[in-house]
Amino acid sequence: NAGVTQTPKFQVLKTGQSMTLQCAQDMNHNSMYWYRQDPGMGLRLIYYSASEGTTDKGEVPNGYNVSRLNKREFSLRLESAAPSQTSVYFCASTKDRGETQYFGPGTRLLVL
Amino acid sequence: AQSVTQLDSQVPVFEEAPVELRCNYSSSVSVYLFWYVQYPNQGLQLLLKYLSGSTLVKGINGFEAEFNKSQTSFHLRKPSVHISDTAEYFCAVSVNDYKLSFGAGTTVTVRA
Repeated sequence: NAGVTQTPKFQVLKTGQSMTLQCAQDMNHNSMYWYRQDPGMGLRLIYYSASEGTTDKGEVPNGYNVSRLNKREFSLRLESAAPSQTSVYFCASTKDRGETQYFGPGTRLLVL
Repeated sequence: AQSVTQLDSQVPVFEEAPVELRCNYSSSVSVYLFWYVQYPNQGLQLLLKYLSGSTLVKGINGFEAEFNKSQTSFHLRKPSVHISDTAEYFCAVSVNDYKLSFGAGTTVTVRA
């Protein structure tokens, strides 16, 4: 079992460029999440997908879009990157509400 | 909406000494509570969780936490720390929906 995998591990973008962060889980979990982690701010929820076919905004959705491609995969897209989006992005998944969330290793994104 | 406050941003501690990390939450309804640990350059992993039942919860690596409903707290303790416990620790709360709210984190540095 790989658990939750994320690609890429590290990316540098110029302001205005676009990119998609990929996430996949092999635990047959129903719900998936995207967070960003910034120093002193903990993790903040960007978007989540409670089940296949649904997506909802979290605390900081502006500038991002998501796609729940199937039960395994949940991607995060930055259409026009800004320096304020420099962060570490984590994907997570869980079987059901209230259950433990399992996290991927993260993607470090630097926007110049 | 629920919120989480971790009262200490940094906790230096000597090896084999006890440590306590403080977490308070605010919510008008019943909550699920979690402690996660993040080792350098890694994702988060679950230390322990409180869903219901006994208010003293034991987790991995010798950690335990006590849920205090009247004080809306969920403090994490370990009686004797090791160098390998150097990490960032996050308290999180869920109100039986699909989302977790995280505290800002506490960095524990264990010195020999």
